[in-house]
Amino acid sequence: AQSVTQLGSHVSVSEGALVLLRCNYSSSVPPYLFWYVQYPNQGLQLLLKYTSAATLVKGINGFEAEFKKSETSFHLTKPSAHMSDAAEYFCAVSHANAGKSTFGDGTTLTVKP
Amino acid sequence: DAMVIQNPRYQVTQFGKPVTLSCSQTLNHNVMYWYQQKSSQAPKLLFHYYDKDFNNEADTPDNFQSRRPNTSFCFLDIRSPGLGDTAMYLCATSSFGQGDTEAFFGQGTRLTVV
Repeated sequence: AQSVTQLGSHVSVSEGALVLLRCNYSSSVPPYLFWYVQYPNQGLQLLLKYTSAATLVKGINGFEAEFKKSETSFHLTKPSAHMSDAAEYFCAVSHANAGKSTFGDGTTLTVKP
Repeated sequence: DAMVIQNPRYQVTQFGKPVTLSCSQTLNHNVMYWYQQKSSQAPKLLFHYYDKDFNNEADTPDNFQSRRPNTSFCFLDIRSPGLGDTAMYLCATSSFGQGDTEAFFGQGTRLTVV
């Protein structure tokens, strides 16, 4: 069985501030981990993925995440928030089959001017 | 450049009236998935096709069916939509067993049952 917990359903930051979105996973086998972004009435766009290679993963739009096995975490960060980063973010876990994922409940990121 | 295309983007249907949502892909991926995402919730996998093999999730209602006539197309049929089926429906594809490390999502179809 696999599961994902996203801590904080809503996160608000000021423009230019650090973004930190938290994700913890549970998996009985080495996981694939993903972060997706979703804008209103849009599909999911992949930000980055961990698939057992480098533990620090860099993605699009300046986002990165670090896989920490000892903490079963895969937190998403961005050094400086931009207004366009305001969206819903989902962390997801899968085993081998990337499309058969279990998603967290999502975190809504608000960026204040 | 669109790789996973869902039609229509918005669909309104009447309670109990069958509706079909469409998904096509230009990636030649062997696996296609349908997810349901209700308002402010996480996407939930309904079923997927591995080539022509249909795989239903245990808790997917019988009201939901799917067809995959060829590699490129996959349809979601809701036989008798209820108000609780109002949701965003997301189609995704992946290339399982061929170095699969990513799923590609379409833009979704927002279905409203009235």
